[in-house]
Amino acid sequence: DAGITQSPRHKVTETGTPVTLRCHQTENHRYMYWYRQDPGHGLRLIHYSYGVKDTDKGEVSDGYSVSRSKTEDFLLTLESATSSQTSVYFCAIGRGLDTLYNEQFFGPGTRLTVL
Amino acid sequence: TQLLEQSPQFLSIQEGENLTVYCNSSSVFSSLQWYRQEPGEGPVLLVTVVTGGEVKKLKRLTFQFGDARKDSSLHITAAQPGDTGLYLCAGLFLQGNQFYFGTGTSLTVIP
Repeated sequence: DAGITQSPRHKVTETGTPVTLRCHQTENHRYMYWYRQDPGHGLRLIHYSYGVKDTDKGEVSDGYSVSRSKTEDFLLTLESATSSQTSVYFCAIGRGLDTLYNEQFFGPGTRLTVL
Repeated sequence: TQLLEQSPQFLSIQEGENLTVYCNSSSVFSSLQWYRQEPGEGPVLLVTVVTGGEVKKLKRLTFQFGDARKDSSLHITAAQPGDTGLYLCAGLFLQGNQFYFGTGTSLTVIP
């Protein structure tokens, strides 16, 4: 197992409230990723990080921000949650230094419902 | 618009049968990965292919990367109920910096 955990595992919140999801790894990998998974769309990259304080946007970054102040933690924040952000969120770590060969290992997911 | 198309979307077969699922794109991949995901869990990496024409085997699973690196297939021999799950392909395109996932093939193997 890749030693990656996500918290919380389930969350129900209301529209307009801020939400922060946490991803924690125990293996000291450089690359970390946040994805969302929705029916009909598969997994889509939100943001990724290639080191402490180094982050970049993915395919669906609008409405999300991230922070990485320590190697082991990668936080995803929804500043003002909307119903369209109801989804299952997965964190992943990348084993390898080169994106071309990065093998991603996924956490167990967080199911977020925005009412 | 989906950059990677997977087919079929759903597949239900009897134990012992063979099957093939496909992952296609109109663009060239630098690298392609296959994952399996079970309900309530994250995807698990099965294989990475990088060379056109490459064939990799993982027990009863055979993965092939197209010669032109625009498509890939996953063949399962003598399917078992434990093979049930969502099979996802993920491709890294030339000059790209992220993997794009297909929508998956949901496989059910009936005992």
